Amino acid sequence: SQQGEEDPQALSIQEGENATMNCSYKTSINNLQWYRQNSGRGLVHLILIRSNEREKHSGRLRVTLDTSKKSSSLLITASRAADTASYFCATVFTGGGNKLTFGTGTQLKVEL
Amino acid sequence: NAGVTQTPKFQVLKTGQSMTLQCAQDMNHEYMSWYRQDPGMGLRLIHYSVGAGITDQGEVPNGYNVSRSTTEDFPLRLLSAAPSQTSVYFCASRKTDRDTEAFFGQGTRLTVV
Repeated sequence: SQQGEEDPQALSIQEGENATMNCSYKTSINNLQWYRQNSGRGLVHLILIRSNEREKHSGRLRVTLDTSKKSSSLLITASRAADTASYFCATVFTGGGNKLTFGTGTQLKVEL
Repeated sequence: NAGVTQTPKFQVLKTGQSMTLQCAQDMNHEYMSWYRQDPGMGLRLIHYSVGAGITDQGEVPNGYNVSRSTTEDFPLRLLSAAPSQTSVYFCASRKTDRDTEAFFGQGTRLTVV
């Protein structure tokens, strides 16, 4: 079974608004990563947060990690139409070797 | 720097046919993996390799074979295609260290009729 689940499954917002996506996972992790997938394309890495970190920033992206709740959130500030894509969380879980296990994804649509 | 290259991009097979999906990377990454992506199910790990000569099964390995004779190449073989293998397949590579990102190919869209 998959390690992570994203919430919501789909999100539609207006350009300029913030978008928040959540990821929950099942077992202890070494790190959690977020990826973006544009329609029909491969996945692109956005940000990695280690299990001993609580927050990371990269440009308009902010990721938080709460290991006690086994959850993470991805915040995209001031969204643009170009941010329209699917977003996936992925984890390297403890005791799983180095396998990267993906969640089910959130489809984000940013409208003009 | 090409990154991760997958071929073909599209393929239609008849049930029972076999084929090989090619994956090559030029980043000297030890770790390579194959995923399939189905609607609403995210990416599921099929097989992975931690280096030349070493492969292991992922979450959904049945019906697929892999080999890793070189660091660069990691082909995925469908032995006898079934309609349930209709999917988009992605190859990914990364360094062995846990705290590293994965680089993905552009995917192969496979339809089995």
